[in-house]
Amino acid sequence: EAAVTQSPRNKVAVTGGKVTLSCNQTNNHNNMYWYRQDTGHGLRLIHYSYGAGSTEKGDIPDGYKASRPSQENFSLILELATPSQTSVYFCASGDGGESSYEQYFGPGTRLTVL
Amino acid sequence: EQQVQQSPASLVLQEAENAELQCSFSIFTNQVQWFYQRPGGRLVSLLYNPSGTKQSGRLTSTTVIKERRSSLHISSSQITDSGTYLCAMEGNTGNYKYVFGAGTRLKVIA
Repeated sequence: EAAVTQSPRNKVAVTGGKVTLSCNQTNNHNNMYWYRQDTGHGLRLIHYSYGAGSTEKGDIPDGYKASRPSQENFSLILELATPSQTSVYFCASGDGGESSYEQYFGPGTRLTVL
Repeated sequence: EQQVQQSPASLVLQEAENAELQCSFSIFTNQVQWFYQRPGGRLVSLLYNPSGTKQSGRLTSTTVIKERRSSLHISSSQITDSGTYLCAMEGNTGNYKYVFGAGTRLKVIA
């Protein structure tokens, strides 16, 4: 299975502060994704990327930016964090080939915005 | 809005019983993946099953595209199977984007 790691694993931030969540994958997958998971809403896609230098808006991009500086790394940036962004954030990667859409997930980052 | 409905929402089994989890889709899709998640844990891929029947150990998934549904059968359940089972489909925008169901919470008791 693809190795996807996230840092930090836990983060407490203050309202209005800047938060950067990092994701690294070591299996040379083209596609990477950022989701948030909240009770009552399930997993929702925030941003995704098809490769280095590309970022695309997902279903709930407002208040978030993304950066894909390399094949391995994909960051999620909260420029002005708000309490509504308190959540668990998951990064995932996938090859995106014609034969398989499988996605592989990281361990998650628990973010609390006070 | 594209939706994935999972049923039942929760399920309690005696150890060794079988479970059948269902997933239905609001659109036609040909990309379906099942995941397992412990509370607060990462999603672990169980089966990628875009169509037909696939098996992995005690898990069997059947996806019927024309009926817009997929199922996950767990045989001889174990206490360690407890957790949440999520299914995901590719939305009709393509682009390798998944839409997730809310999950089925399974508890297996002795």
